Amino acid sequence: EAQVTQNPRYLITVTGKKLTVTCSQNMNHEYMSWYRQDPGLGLRQIYYSMNVEVTDKGDVPEGYKVSRKEKRNFPLILESPSPNQTSLYFCASSLDLGGGIYNEQFFGPGTRLTVL
Amino acid sequence: TQLLEQSPQFLSIQEGENLTVYCNSSSVFSSLQWYRQEPGEGPVLLVTVVTGGEVKKLKRLTFQFGDARKDSSLHITAAQPGDTGLYLCAGAADSNYQLIWGAGTKLIIKP
Repeated sequence: EAQVTQNPRYLITVTGKKLTVTCSQNMNHEYMSWYRQDPGLGLRQIYYSMNVEVTDKGDVPEGYKVSRKEKRNFPLILESPSPNQTSLYFCASSLDLGGGIYNEQFFGPGTRLTVL
Repeated sequence: TQLLEQSPQFLSIQEGENLTVYCNSSSVFSSLQWYRQEPGEGPVLLVTVVTGGEVKKLKRLTFQFGDARKDSSLHITAAQPGDTGLYLCAGAADSNYQLIWGAGTKLIIKP
């Protein structure tokens, strides 16, 4: 089954404790992205990757790191989480991101993170 | 900075009524997508429109891309409780590799 998986689905942690949220896709997609979703603000892009070893900042990259060592995996790293990073996080992948029909975003199920 | 404004932000109507959700921008997009998100899940693509003036139908849902490719609308006919969810629009510009997302319209259809 074609899918994007994220782990964990739920995480409660404390300020400053490093954490990693994993993301994996099995569709051989070039493009992967991380979003956070907060009430009233919609989806805001954190980082994106156009291919292996190529990553770039989105709209809200502060406090986050990513890596793309393999095509299928795109982990999100919070080196020192803070309460303002409490949010719902989504990983997404797409075939590419040219305009048109090839940029359908396939989303993972989400990770709800609470930082105390 | 490109923005996509969705309206209304929230809509609660009775089953059987019609509704329209709007997605507006001052920027031109090469394509525009509509997604639906249900609680506890990620957004799922409903449709992609790529040509100015294009109209696409998905059962009771009708999507239109503005002639100038700056705006789009989603019309639902005879809404049903199963249409309940968060509807998101997202525009793609040729000039970069980011999708621009609207803030979403939360739709509740009451039986």
